Amino acid sequence: EVQLVESGGGLVQPGGSLRLSCSASGFTFTKYGMHWVRQAPGKGLEYVSVINDNGGSAYYGDSVKGRFTTSRDNSKNTLYLQMNSLRTEDTAVFYCVKVLGGGSGWTPDFWGQGTLVTVSS
Amino acid sequence: EIVLTQSPATLSLSPGERATLSCRASQSVSSYLAWYQQKPGQAPRLLIYDAFNRATGIPARFSGSGSGTDFTLTISSLEPGDFAVYYCHQRSNWPYTFGQGTKLEIK
Repeated sequence: EVQLVESGGGLVQPGGSLRLSCSASGFTFTKYGMHWVRQAPGKGLEYVSVINDNGGSAYYGDSVKGRFTTSRDNSKNTLYLQMNSLRTEDTAVFYCVKVLGGGSGWTPDFWGQGTLVTVSS
Repeated sequence: EIVLTQSPATLSLSPGERATLSCRASQSVSSYLAWYQQKPGQAPRLLIYDAFNRATGIPARFSGSGSGTDFTLTISSLEPGDFAVYYCHQRSNWPYTFGQGTKLEIK
């Protein structure tokens, strides 16, 4: 059974930093790209980043480019999101998402339950 | 950035009725379009990928169609558990984007 468990969310002041983790199990982590997608309270879904299976390539949404960095440790089956220079508008639930893979490549497939990040003074 | 526009914003129907949700892209996304269902307090669930393929475990009453810029998600006969928010998503060009969602509510 695929499981994605996010952690590291919480309350942080504007300008602060936070690192999210996503622990993966139930599938061969090294074979799949991964996404971070966020959802502000009561709002829709917004892409944060994608990273390929070996961690060699990552892409970012315009609103987080230069502030957030995604990485992975395939030896630990764990995905990370380092968030710096946080703003109040970054307040959201952050989801870790496994891609579908195969011919459908980067389609977001299985989602974790999310971790809430609140940026407030 | 490719903008996905979903319509209607809210759809009010009764169990047993047919639901038709639309997603229009600002430029062609070929068939690289997916649909997701999200219930309150839950993570999204993949329903349809690459325009018309049902994801694992998704009932046959959910179907997708379209290509290029116009796509449709159809639920043939609504069940109580189908009332939720539905999002479309494109993976044709980075940045990938989602539509703003259609809320399917009980009439």
